Amino acid sequence: NAGVTQTPKFQVLKTGQSMTLQCAQDMNHNSMYWYRQDPGMGLRLIYYSASEGTTDKGEVPNGYNVSRLNKREFSLRLESAAPSQTSVYFCASRVTEYGYTFGSGTRLTVV
Amino acid sequence: KQEVTQIPAALSVPEGENLVLNCSFTDSAIYNLQWFRQDPGKGLTSLLLIQSSQREQTSGRLNASLDKSSGRSTLYIAASQPGDSATYLCALRDSGYALNFGKGTSLLVTP
Repeated sequence: NAGVTQTPKFQVLKTGQSMTLQCAQDMNHNSMYWYRQDPGMGLRLIYYSASEGTTDKGEVPNGYNVSRLNKREFSLRLESAAPSQTSVYFCASRVTEYGYTFGSGTRLTVV
Repeated sequence: KQEVTQIPAALSVPEGENLVLNCSFTDSAIYNLQWFRQDPGKGLTSLLLIQSSQREQTSGRLNASLDKSSGRSTLYIAASQPGDSATYLCALRDSGYALNFGKGTSLLVTP
């Protein structure tokens, strides 16, 4: 009964380093999403995947890339991390008209 | 662009009080509205989901209402407890794929 699993939970990067945030869901959901949460800004959509094999930009996609590896997995990659990407990252999934299920988040600090 | 506003931003009440959290939105053409709870440093937990055709949903001490014509939703919490202390987020899905989030109401219930 895992739901949406994100790894890692915490990460510290130096400016310019790259990393991939992993997300997997075991609910057979079609749609998956990556959000970032910043103080005073709320949650903002980075990228989403409406179905396996498709990805689209959200509100704040600059500096990120995504891969929908299969129906279960949706990864977010930072190619060259910047301090402005310090944030809490949430992955979510959804099926048809039901609500969204969120993972527990990845807390990323870029120094 | 859909704008979601939550008032108040913060609320402190003594244990046992009934309380109402408010959420307003600018575009009434929504598919559904979801209320989440977020504990400090944690992920989002779904509380209630209201489809656009519904007026309210109930779960235990929680009741959420939806009035699309006036662009409002309320979350009613009965007989509040210290364990209810958290941030409550309102989010709605319109014609796009993403959830549009409010910035949340931070609730503190004091013993």
